[in-house]
Amino acid sequence: GAVVSQHPSRVICKSGTSVKIECRSLDFQATTMFWYRQFPKKSLMLMATSNEGSKATYEQGVEKDKFLINHASLTLSTLTVTSAHPEDSSFYICSASPGQGFNQPQHFGDGTRLSIL
Amino acid sequence: KNQVEQSPQSLIILEGKNCTLQCNYTVSPFSNLRWYKQDTGRGPVSLTIMTFSENTKSNGRYTATLDADTKQSSLHITASQLSDSASYICVVSAGSNYQLIWGAGTKLIIKP
Repeated sequence: GAVVSQHPSRVICKSGTSVKIECRSLDFQATTMFWYRQFPKKSLMLMATSNEGSKATYEQGVEKDKFLINHASLTLSTLTVTSAHPEDSSFYICSASPGQGFNQPQHFGDGTRLSIL
Repeated sequence: KNQVEQSPQSLIILEGKNCTLQCNYTVSPFSNLRWYKQDTGRGPVSLTIMTFSENTKSNGRYTATLDADTKQSSLHITASQLSDSASYICVVSAGSNYQLIWGAGTKLIIKP
């Protein structure tokens, strides 16, 4: 149980392109979804937290106009990297939780490797 | 400042051997401590979650311990297998909003 599917697993695109990443909870309803970014050999860095039906809460230093998050249903959240540039290249990971807040179990997707040329 | 420090940064052991990974934290107020396993290029997978009152928790060949007084945790892996090669991340939940504080991880390599 508690399967989270993230798509696509890898994206390579040109600078200036906008890229959408999907995160789906397959067998449970995700009240809260989290988006993380991970640089090589570093741990996960929380970018934003989203609750279904409301605006995402972004961590300090994360540009909300750059990283658009939509959590329109209890099973789907999307992260759109707008006008991506090479410095946006990273490993993006989502997680989903059946409850609200950080104190609930988080189930992670397998990540999206984004490479901007 | 809330921090989670893990040691060693990396570890290489032979298949079949045991090993112990360390996690020290300075987090207050403490809610729970989690150990995750992350294979290269994959998302983290939860191994254990321990609250303040729990001293030890096992998940197969993985056993986590928690000493809330000294603010230390360890993850012991018994009879290591090649598939145990991964990064092991210690995460502490803290504060009134239970924010997760992530350690940098220990990269474990199991050699045949």
